[in-house]
Amino acid sequence: KAGVTQTPRYLIKTRGQQVTLSCSPISGHRSVSWYQQTPGQGLQFLFEYFSETQRNKGNFPGRFSGRQFSNSRSEMNVSTLELGDSALYLCASSEGVRAEAFFGQGTRLTVV
Amino acid sequence: DAKTTQPPSMDCAEGRAANLPCNHSTISGNEYVYWYRQIHSQGPQYIIHGLKNNETNEMASLIITEDRKSSTLILPHATLRDTAVYYCIVRAPGGSQRNLIFGKGTKLSVKP
Repeated sequence: KAGVTQTPRYLIKTRGQQVTLSCSPISGHRSVSWYQQTPGQGLQFLFEYFSETQRNKGNFPGRFSGRQFSNSRSEMNVSTLELGDSALYLCASSEGVRAEAFFGQGTRLTVV
Repeated sequence: DAKTTQPPSMDCAEGRAANLPCNHSTISGNEYVYWYRQIHSQGPQYIIHGLKNNETNEMASLIITEDRKSSTLILPHATLRDTAVYYCIVRAPGGSQRNLIFGKGTKLSVKP
């Protein structure tokens, strides 16, 4: 099975712009979660989707949003980018409620 | 906040067993213990998880104490490629606790 695929791997954006990141889960996985990782804050949960519904959201401003499509692929969007949004954004997928999560390689976003 | 406590760093000689401890004294009856590791700048990699019994797979062994307040991840023959940050996480299945809460983890350095 192919693993979790995140695109793009690297991205450079300017303050004030918006960005969309994509995640393709492992085939058959219906749950997708997003995380932000920075040197100062570590790995922080952004949100979780299951069957196209957002089940859980972390403590991030409304500039961060996401969605899941019927094929379980997910996107996250960050609007009005700030320098502090520079981070590694990770996507994880799992089969169901008790299953372990498998992570993608992440998208490295740099805001200049 | 993470419900686990891990030493910030550990060293291990190549070829020897690496024993990584984790304290989770407030673990609830339905919470599992999960271990992930993150090699520099890559996405976290699932290693193993357990509820109360010891578990073993091709990567590692997980020893959970009888009172479930602590556990040890054992890498039986550490190699240089095992150098990574190891995260111990407690997680309940289902509902709002499905998201993984990563603490600071243990940075394991395997030395030749």
